Amino acid sequence: GIQVEQSPPDLILQEGANSTLRCNFSDSVNNLQWFHQNPWGQLINLFYIPSGTKQNGRLSATTVATERYSLLYISSSQTTDSGVYFCAVELNRGSTLGRLYFGRGTQLTVWP
Amino acid sequence: AAGVIQSPRHLIKEKRETATLKCYPIPRHDTVYWYQQGPGQDPQFLISFYEKMQSDKGSIPDRFSAQQFSDYHSELNMSSLELGDSALYFCASSRGGAREQYFGPGTRLTVT
Repeated sequence: GIQVEQSPPDLILQEGANSTLRCNFSDSVNNLQWFHQNPWGQLINLFYIPSGTKQNGRLSATTVATERYSLLYISSSQTTDSGVYFCAVELNRGSTLGRLYFGRGTQLTVWP
Repeated sequence: AAGVIQSPRHLIKEKRETATLKCYPIPRHDTVYWYQQGPGQDPQFLISFYEKMQSDKGSIPDRFSAQQFSDYHSELNMSSLELGDSALYFCASSRGGAREQYFGPGTRLTVT
């Protein structure tokens, strides 16, 4: 399979701070998605970003597919941003098309 | 906008019992994926269906089976439940050649 590594594993911020989460992957991918898992366990789609840059409010993401990494930027963080952020990729190869491989996530805690 | 629906949201079973989890994809989505997330773990792919046919299979135990019906909903059947099956089970759906997967709220299964 593919290796998906996220860093940092844990991040503690004061409200209002900015942060950058990183996702490295070991093989060519068709799909890359960022998710936020809230304290109730729900996986919220943040970005579908196999390449390029996208922005949605205080969040933005950049994927450089040729260098096999993606970055998630959170600006002016709020307590509601707390939770686990997962990067997941779909391998660009044969019979495993479709399935997502998840990283171990970054646990973000934002204090008021 | 309509989202992926999963039922039940919570399920408590005893060891060796059977459980059935249901998933209703977003309208016009023809592909369904099942993932299992153990406590403190990242989601792991179990199985997927495209147009009612199994399209990919991951580390799904032989005690588990799944199918996709003519209305595109899917069911995950789990027999001879073990304590280690306690987890959050997610269903996701996508449409045709589009790669972005949309996740349901999950079913939290507890085996006692």
